[in-house]
Amino acid sequence: GQQVMQIPQYQHVQEGEDFTTYCNSSTTLSNIQWYKQRPGGHPVFLIQLVKSGEVKKQKRLTFQFGEAKKNSSLHITATQTTDVGTYFCAARPYGGSQGNLIFGKGTKLSVKP
Amino acid sequence: GAVVSQHPSWVICKSGTSVKIECRSLDFQATTMFWYRQFPKQSLMLMATSNEGSKATYEQGVEKDKFLINHASLTLSTLTVTSAHPEDSSFYICSARDFDSPSEKLFFGSGTQLSVL
Repeated sequence: GQQVMQIPQYQHVQEGEDFTTYCNSSTTLSNIQWYKQRPGGHPVFLIQLVKSGEVKKQKRLTFQFGEAKKNSSLHITATQTTDVGTYFCAARPYGGSQGNLIFGKGTKLSVKP
Repeated sequence: GAVVSQHPSWVICKSGTSVKIECRSLDFQATTMFWYRQFPKQSLMLMATSNEGSKATYEQGVEKDKFLINHASLTLSTLTVTSAHPEDSSFYICSARDFDSPSEKLFFGSGTQLSVL
C-alpha cells in the first residue's frame, strides 16, 4: 500500500540546536498534517498544509509543503526540552478520503539540557 | 477545543476473554472515527474506519471478526477485541474528525494499553 517515508527515526540534540524531520511520498498528496506525541501521551495536531509550496510558522516551528506536494518538513529552531516527543507526519493521498491519513513512522526527538 | 475521550486507559485480561474499548467525541459530532494500533516506538497503524450507522471499513490484514467495531451514534464508537490472545497486546488509540469543521485535523483519544496474559 501507499507509504509515507519519514526520516530520521531518531534525533538527539543539545538544547538550543535546530531540528528537522522530513516526510516523502511517492505519490501526490492532497494535504499533509503534522502531529506531536509526547512520551506516554497521544498525538496532538500541530498543523495542516494544503497548498503547493506552502510555508507556515508557529513560533519556533516552521512547516513546509513541497512544490510537487510530495514532501514536507518540520523544522524547529533552537530546541527546548519541552520539544521532546515524537513528531509524525500524516498525509492524505490525492483522491483519498477525508480523515483517512497515512502516518509516517515518526521522528523521536530527545533534547539534552 | 474538541476532545475525544477513550476508555479504559489500560486493561489486563486473561487469554480468551473479550475486551471493549470506547471512544467518545465529547463536544462534536463524528460520523467517522478511526482506530489504530501502535506498537512500542512505532507509528500508528490504521486498523479500521468506523462509520456511524454502517459497517466499518477494515484495512488489509485486519480481521473484522477479531476486532469488532460498532458506531451506533454520532459520538460513540467501540472496538471489541474478541477472544484476546497475548499477541493482541498493544496500545490501541482512536481518533475522530469534527464533521462540522472544514478542517481535516484529527482529535485523538488518550489510548488504551491492552495486556493479555
